Amino acid sequence: RKEVEQDPGPFNVPEGATVAFNCTYSNSASQSFFWYRQDCRKEPKLLMSVYSSGNEDGRFTAQLNRASQYISLLIRDSKLSDSATYLCVSAGGAGSYQLTFGKGTKLSVIP
Amino acid sequence: DVKVTQSSRYLVKRTGEKVFLECVQDMDHENMFWYRQDPGLGLRLIYFSYDVKMKEKGDIPEGYSVSREKKERFSLILESASTNQTSMYLCATEGGGSSYEQYFGPGTRLTVT
Repeated sequence: RKEVEQDPGPFNVPEGATVAFNCTYSNSASQSFFWYRQDCRKEPKLLMSVYSSGNEDGRFTAQLNRASQYISLLIRDSKLSDSATYLCVSAGGAGSYQLTFGKGTKLSVIP
Repeated sequence: DVKVTQSSRYLVKRTGEKVFLECVQDMDHENMFWYRQDPGLGLRLIYFSYDVKMKEKGDIPEGYSVSREKKERFSLILESASTNQTSMYLCATEGGGSSYEQYFGPGTRLTVT
């Protein structure tokens, strides 16, 4: 069974802190990886794609380690508005459009 | 920007009723998906469609059916609603090719009493 595992948290961090989320995926044929953000009672929204070379978007850095089947998200200088649930996602192997979602890691940034 | 709309934000139905949830997208995306999301279980795929009149079962299709008569519209049907179908239902679209990026509608919170 294809799975994506995440620490559910919650992670409670002060404003300005750096926080890291990790996840592992079981399907070695997965081709693409993403982090989605979901606010309370709202839909998931794509935060960023994850590439083997690592990628950065402002305060957010995502990393992929294919050998270990491990994905990470680093948030620097946390803001109150970063409070949300972060979903780790893998896309299936060749010919599959399906995404496999982790259950999410909840982040609360505290003043 | 991709726009995905769902027919209702909140819906209350009685056990045994037939329920239609509709999803419309304006980006000419090939692929459309229906998920349900429950606390502790995450997002689970019910059905998806990669073309008009085409459908594929996801992980939890039992008790549901779908219809895709037009490219922009994907409907989820609960033939006879049951209380265990109380959930948040999310529609998503994906443009095809190798992007795999899915874009979600705002969701319908369905309560079956």
